[in-house]
Amino acid sequence: QKEVEQNSGPLSVPEGAIASLNCTYSDRGSQSFFWYRQYSGKSPELIMFIYSNGDKEDGRFTAQLNKASQYVSLLIRDSQPSDSATYLCAVNIGYSTLTFGKGTMLLVSP
Amino acid sequence: GAVVSQHPSRVICKSGTSVKIECRSLDFQATTMFWYRQFPKQSLMLMATSNEGSKATYEQGVEKDKFLINHASLTLSTLTVTSAHPEDSSFYICSARDNGREGRTDTQYFGPGTRLTVL
Repeated sequence: QKEVEQNSGPLSVPEGAIASLNCTYSDRGSQSFFWYRQYSGKSPELIMFIYSNGDKEDGRFTAQLNKASQYVSLLIRDSQPSDSATYLCAVNIGYSTLTFGKGTMLLVSP
Repeated sequence: GAVVSQHPSRVICKSGTSVKIECRSLDFQATTMFWYRQFPKQSLMLMATSNEGSKATYEQGVEKDKFLINHASLTLSTLTVTSAHPEDSSFYICSARDNGREGRTDTQYFGPGTRLTVL
């Protein structure tokens, strides 16, 4: 059974700090990895996707993938209060449906 | 790009009525769309996978006769909640898989969601 695990949090960081969100997955065949952000009462919004081992940077966000260890992480630099949300990790095998983690709540305090 | 719309955004109905929710991919074609349900403070729950031109695939425990899905074109899928009851009140969210962009052929984009309240 495909599983995606995330710490539910909340992860609390001060404004300006680096927030580190982690995700592990059980299926070694997973090929695509996604991070979504979901504000309370809203639908998920795609932040980043990553396919290859290593780092991928987009603005203040960096996704890191380590397939050997089966984890993917999301770093948010210079965290802002507006980054406070639940972050969902999702993995995909080929064209299968996405398997979502339960999400990590991030709280950025001013 | 990669915009998915849903209509209506909010609906309130009486128990026993049927409600139709539309999901459209506005700037890409989506062979596959997905319907999720989310209760307050809970995780997304996949209800069904909607494939253009064929029958939807429902997740275990989801009644296909209650949640009717039609995916008649590459940009439109509809979910009809038939004979809705208060326990069907939830946040319904669709997503569409972009099957045309190089290197991103399995990315899912979510619609804004429909909040259903059944009185």
